[in-house]
Amino acid sequence: SQKIEQNSEALNIQEGKTATLTCNYTNYSPAYLQWYRQDPGRGPVFLLLIRENEKEKRKERLKVTFDTTLKQSLFHITASQPADSATYLCALDIRPYNDMRFGAGTRLTVKP
Amino acid sequence: DAGVTQSPTHLIKTRGQHVTLRCSPISGHKSVSWYQQVLGQGPQFIFQYYEKEERGRGNFPDRFSARQFPNYSSELNVNALLLGDSALYLCASSPTFTGGIADTQYFGPGTRLTVL
Repeated sequence: SQKIEQNSEALNIQEGKTATLTCNYTNYSPAYLQWYRQDPGRGPVFLLLIRENEKEKRKERLKVTFDTTLKQSLFHITASQPADSATYLCALDIRPYNDMRFGAGTRLTVKP
Repeated sequence: DAGVTQSPTHLIKTRGQHVTLRCSPISGHKSVSWYQQVLGQGPQFIFQYYEKEERGRGNFPDRFSARQFPNYSSELNVNALLLGDSALYLCASSPTFTGGIADTQYFGPGTRLTVL
């Protein structure tokens, strides 16, 4: 069956460390993978999109990798700050159904 | 520019009732998608509309329907409400449609629906 799994429900790290979040998928062949941030009571906010032919993408303190062989994406936040505390969602496009599937999310807490 | 707006913010209904949720996309965006997010889970895709036509549908019963208007705003209708329909309903817009949801989705704040 098709699954999208994010490594854990919650991740606690110390300020200044690198947070690494994992998104694994099975029985999908996405052309794109996206990462979103969601704060409580708010809609998700787009962070990064990576295509199947891209291995890595960076944006400021964020880095995303995409390994289509392992069927895995890693999302890194370097020099983490308490303001980075939120739930992070990965999402895959599902062709040809014009659908987008989200993982359940990982709740990141960065402690001062 | 204003972001995606949704109304109402909160809504309480009883089982069997009908509900209409509204969404206004970002100006210039022609694609609108609807998602249901149950507490503790990621958003689940319901519909996508582009240029007033349905371009994608998730695995939801026929009680769920939607439409897009000439000004690209959209409505989501849910009939015969069940307790399990209680969720945050999110609307997202994107500027283009490329045959799949490859475009960046800009989400609204959502409508919190509670069914008693």
